[in-house]
Amino acid sequence: AQSVTQPDIHITVSEGASLELRCNYSYGATPYLFWYVQSPGQGLQLLLKYFSGDTLVQGIKGFEAEFKRSQSSFNLRKPSVHWSDAAEYFCAVGGVTGGGNKLTFGTGTQLKVEL
Amino acid sequence: NAGVTQTPKFQVLKTGQSMTLQCAQDMNHEYMSWYRQDPGMGLRLIHYSVGAGITDQGEVPNGYNVSRSTTEDFPLRLLSAAPSQTSVYFCASSSTFWGEDEAFFGQGTRLTVV
Repeated sequence: AQSVTQPDIHITVSEGASLELRCNYSYGATPYLFWYVQSPGQGLQLLLKYFSGDTLVQGIKGFEAEFKRSQSSFNLRKPSVHWSDAAEYFCAVGGVTGGGNKLTFGTGTQLKVEL
Repeated sequence: NAGVTQTPKFQVLKTGQSMTLQCAQDMNHEYMSWYRQDPGMGLRLIHYSVGAGITDQGEVPNGYNVSRSTTEDFPLRLLSAAPSQTSVYFCASSSTFWGEDEAFFGQGTRLTVV
């Protein structure tokens, strides 16, 4: 069965500092990987996705993520965090499993930005 | 472009009451799903549909019912509300069945069962 682990529940960074949010997945084949962001009281918005090809993918709002097959990881990065980046971030893996199509989410990482 | 529309945004129910959460999408997506979001547990799949007339259970289907009579609509029914169903519910749609395409989410319904 596919699964996603986000080991950091909360992360606090200072505005202007760099950010890395960790994501590890378990999936039998090449996965479809996503990062979503959820601002308070809002739905989820797609930041970026990886299907194949270049393992470094660029997303919206200056985010990027790197797919590392050997480490089963898809970590999200941003060189310089803005106060508006404070939100909850979800990593997700998609694909066909024995139970059919499924998009599985991690438990999320809450990002706080200190001014 | 409305995307995915969920109603209501907020709801308070008494234990044992029933209600329907509405979800509509205008993107002609075949695949729709319902998730619940609880603190520390991320989003968990309740039910999903791969097209009109076809639905299936996700991880946490107990206490919920769905139907899909049209491509656009995918309502979620709570048959007899329980406090354990207090949660934020999200409807999502996407154009592919294989998890390879972006899922578009509604704004969510915050449900409290007292």
